[in-house]
Amino acid sequence: GAGVSQSPSNKVTEKGKDVELRCDPISGHTALYWYRQSLGQGLEFLIYFQGNSAPDKSGLPSDRFSAERTGGSVSTLTIQRTQQEDSAVYLCASSTRFQETQYFGPGTRLLVL
Amino acid sequence: EDKVVQSPLSLVVHEGDTVTLNCSYEVTNFRSLLWYKQEKKAPTFLFMLTSSGIEKKSGRLSSILDKKELFSILNITATQTGDSAVYLCAGGNKLVFGAGTILRVKS
Repeated sequence: GAGVSQSPSNKVTEKGKDVELRCDPISGHTALYWYRQSLGQGLEFLIYFQGNSAPDKSGLPSDRFSAERTGGSVSTLTIQRTQQEDSAVYLCASSTRFQETQYFGPGTRLLVL
Repeated sequence: EDKVVQSPLSLVVHEGDTVTLNCSYEVTNFRSLLWYKQEKKAPTFLFMLTSSGIEKKSGRLSSILDKKELFSILNITATQTGDSAVYLCAGGNKLVFGAGTILRVKS
């Protein structure tokens, strides 16, 4: 595609529910990254993929967070049993290869009530 | 642990002023330093710097990297209200981001 796309753009959920966020990277980009940005805070790295594998999951805040990527393309970030502190904008980015320039999607704004 | 520090945290200027934003970094396996502009949700790419002392320019924006002193600056000349945004720099294996500089340009 022309750019990185993410869905949904906004998500409101109740505490304790599971949510799934989707990222479609730029076609041909092998590296994909997930970040979180809480209100007024900087970007927090969560996880990155090279192809379908995630060499570094150390940024995931807890075991309620998981991510997968299939076919070297679409990635989903799943948050189980959401908590209010999970409320943030979740940004996805992709690059041609790892450590190359990252291009960001528009983000998903998650609000946990 | 990789670290990227930006200064100032925020800046208010008048249209037409020139601003300089600073970014210092301590990262392992340095490959490049990136500057982004963030207005609404997603950051938009400005510059990627890999070589020391070579200025990158795009219109009124320019940036330079000093690999010896581990810092970079982003200059904006003749600022406009549309330059108001958060400016982020990032580097390192996992692309660690600084906290950003909030720039507000008053008309």
